[in-house]
This record gives sequence, C-alpha cells and structure tokens, in this order.
Amino acid sequence: KQEVTQIPAALSVPEGENLVLNCSFTDSAIYNLQWFRQDPGKGLTSLLLIQSSQREQTSGRLNASLDKSSGRSTLYIAASQPGDSATYLCAVRTDSWGKLQFGAGTQVVVTP
Amino acid sequence: SQTIHQWPATLVQPVGSPLSLECTVEGTSNPNLYWYRQAAGRGLQLLFYSVGIGQISSEVPQNLSASRPQDRQFILSSKKLLLSDSGFYLCAWSHLREGQPQHFGDGTRLSIL
Repeated sequence: KQEVTQIPAALSVPEGENLVLNCSFTDSAIYNLQWFRQDPGKGLTSLLLIQSSQREQTSGRLNASLDKSSGRSTLYIAASQPGDSATYLCAVRTDSWGKLQFGAGTQVVVTP
Repeated sequence: SQTIHQWPATLVQPVGSPLSLECTVEGTSNPNLYWYRQAAGRGLQLLFYSVGIGQISSEVPQNLSASRPQDRQFILSSKKLLLSDSGFYLCAWSHLREGQPQHFGDGTRLSIL
C-alpha cells in the first residue's frame, strides 16, 4: 500500500529565504506526483505536476524535483514571501483511475 | 476555462439528520470526479470516485454514499449523520490524459452536533 510522508510537519522562515519541502513515497510505481497549496479553510490549488518520466518541473519561483527510484520529491520555493504562507501537500497518482494518495502536508509560515 | 463549484460552503447538522452536498463542474465534459474528506489534523482521504454517469466506486466503508446523476454533477449523501462524519469535504475533477492535474473545489465544512 502506497504511503506518502511529508517532513517537516511545520516550517517557519524569514522572508527572502528559500523554502525546501520534502515528500517521500513508498511505492515507486506512480503515474505522477502533484504539489498543492492549501490556504486555511480553503480548497487545494494545484502548483506543479511531475510526470513519472520527468525529473523536474518549474513554474516561476517554484521548482519541483522527482527521484522515483528513491521515492522522493522536493519542492523549492525561491525568495519566500509572506504570501507563501500556507500548507503544502504532495500527492501521488497511484492508478489508471486517477486516484491520489496524499501526504499530511507541511505548514509553512513566512515571517516579514 | 473549467471551474468547479461546491455548496454549501459550511453546514451544521444534528446527529441522525440527512446530508446532501453538491459539486458541479463547468467548461469540460466527461470528467472523472472525486470526493475527499479532510479530518482535523489529518491528510485527505479519498471517499468516492466516478468515471461516468451512474458509475460510483467507494474507497472506504462508511456512512456516506455518492451519486452522479449528470455528467458534471456529483452528490455526496447520507441518510443519518454520525459525529464521525464531521470534516472538510472536497470535490475534485480531472481528465486522465498525461500531464493533467486534479482540480479541487473550495470545500464544504461539515460540523455535526
């Protein structure tokens, strides 16, 4: 059974520092991996999707890497801003029906 | 562009009462649809998914049921709510083509008293 872990559970950094968020999964047989952002009391916003055949995906200040063989993905957020404060979730797509298995998330606080 | 709507945004219900949460998708056809629950301090758990009208698959045994009466409408129901049904319910849609992400609604906060 696929298990997804995100460490740390919470992170606080001063504005301007780079953020590094980690995600690990136990079964390397995945279709893709998605990173989401969730603001308090809100739904999920898709940030990046990495196909299983890809190593990296970038969007603006965000960069996500995928090492499928070791079961790891890392989300980098450059030059963090207070508006980046949120919970970040990673999820792996596990089958042909599109089902996602989520990690518990990393709560990020960027202080001005 | 595609949008997904959920309502109501918040709901407070007594134990034993019925439930109906609705989700609709606009701007696309034949989406895969999903219901998730996010309990306090826990990750998202997939409850149901649907690949077409009338086709529902359940992921976990529970007090809830789902229906898909139209292509872009997904409904989550219960005949009698339990305290353990409290949580944040999220609807999502996707296409299964390569590189297509899953998109989520704004969620319904359900509190059972």
